[in-house]
Amino acid sequence: DAMVIQNPRYQVTQFGKPVTLSCSQTLNHNVMYWYQQKSSQAPKLLFHYYDKDFNNEADTPDNFQSRRPNTSFCFLDIRSPGLGDAAMYLCATSRGRTGGQETQYFGPGTRLLVL
Amino acid sequence: SQQGEEDPQALSIQEGENATMNCSYKTSINNLQWYRQNSGRGLVHLILIRSNEREKHSGRLRVTLDTSKKSSSLLITASRAADTASYFCATDSTNDYKLSFGAGTTVTVRA
Repeated sequence: DAMVIQNPRYQVTQFGKPVTLSCSQTLNHNVMYWYQQKSSQAPKLLFHYYDKDFNNEADTPDNFQSRRPNTSFCFLDIRSPGLGDAAMYLCATSRGRTGGQETQYFGPGTRLLVL
Repeated sequence: SQQGEEDPQALSIQEGENATMNCSYKTSINNLQWYRQNSGRGLVHLILIRSNEREKHSGRLRVTLDTSKKSSSLLITASRAADTASYFCATDSTNDYKLSFGAGTTVTVRA
């Protein structure tokens, strides 16, 4: 019954070594989001896809990239992880992107550790 | 940018008691949502209240919205151990598509 799935749940990488986190959804939603959440902080939106249209947040570092090859899958690529990138990464979906009218459905998150 | 701010940051209550947390925001909104996050997990949507609504109920949850004060409250009645989680308010703004989350209130319900 899982609706938004994230793999892996835990990811350990080395400083500077590229890493990819994946997200898939069974809801057939148009919008997929990636958030970064550090301990005891608010989720911070990195970017989102509305269908194939990519929307980057102004303060998202260039180190973070995303791909959405089809409706169901979305990937977060961190090209050269730094220690400050250690965080929980949350994928979410919504049917549309009319802001606060839409419920967002979250995956369980991937916790990234950078050594 | 973070628009909503929750108060208190942390709350510890006995099972069966009520838990109240507040959210304040800065700019005009269309809607306000509350989400719950269990430790180490994703967020789960609890309730949405529109800017023209003042109060909304869902089970043991009661949400109020005061747009003149730019604030909302979430009340959990008859709390249970399973309510232990962090609770986040999320606001849109009238000219933006996205949600801005506050830093959350961590609620601990003691058995």
